[in-house]
Amino acid sequence: EDQVTQSPEALRLQEGESSSLNCSYTVSGLRGLFWYRQDPGKGPEFLFTLYSAGEEKEKERLKATLTKKESFLHITAPKPEDSATYLCAVQKGGAQKLVFGQGTRLTINP
Amino acid sequence: DADVTQTPRNRITKTGKRIMLECSQTKGHDRMYWYRQDPGLGLRLIYYSFDVKDINKGEISDGYSVSRQAQAKFSLSLESAIPNQTALYFCATSDTRTGNTEAFFGQGTRLTVV
Repeated sequence: EDQVTQSPEALRLQEGESSSLNCSYTVSGLRGLFWYRQDPGKGPEFLFTLYSAGEEKEKERLKATLTKKESFLHITAPKPEDSATYLCAVQKGGAQKLVFGQGTRLTINP
Repeated sequence: DADVTQTPRNRITKTGKRIMLECSQTKGHDRMYWYRQDPGLGLRLIYYSFDVKDINKGEISDGYSVSRQAQAKFSLSLESAIPNQTALYFCATSDTRTGNTEAFFGQGTRLTVV
């Protein structure tokens, strides 16, 4: 069964304190791994798609990496506005739907 | 204006009532989805549609039905609402013609069944 597990469930950091969020997955024939940001009461906002092991993508203070079994979302020198829930999802080859993890709730304290 | 618009944004309904949630998109995407989000359970797929003539069940379709009225419109119905259908509902779209597979979400509908 396809599974996506995110850790930690919640993470509290001080402003400027870099860290990483983890997304581990078990899926045969990965077609793509997706990262989303979700603010309270709003829909998920697309951040990155990663397609193959070794791939990396960056956007401002965020950098996503992918291996054959997990993905990391690295946050460098975060600011309070980076506080949100970060969701990871995978798409299996030949399937048309995403399987989501439960998310990591990130809080950046000023 | 949002590219993916859901109406209503909030709704409180009584057990046993029929309710429809609507989604419209201006992105021109071919695929549309309905997800449900519950605390601790993440986002789960209810139904998805590849085009107007194609409807597919997701992992939790029982108690729900959908209609794809046009490429830009996809509605979700609860024929007889029950309290455990209280959740945050999201519509999403994707455009497979570009080769990209990421989904774009609406702002959500918070549904409470009392």
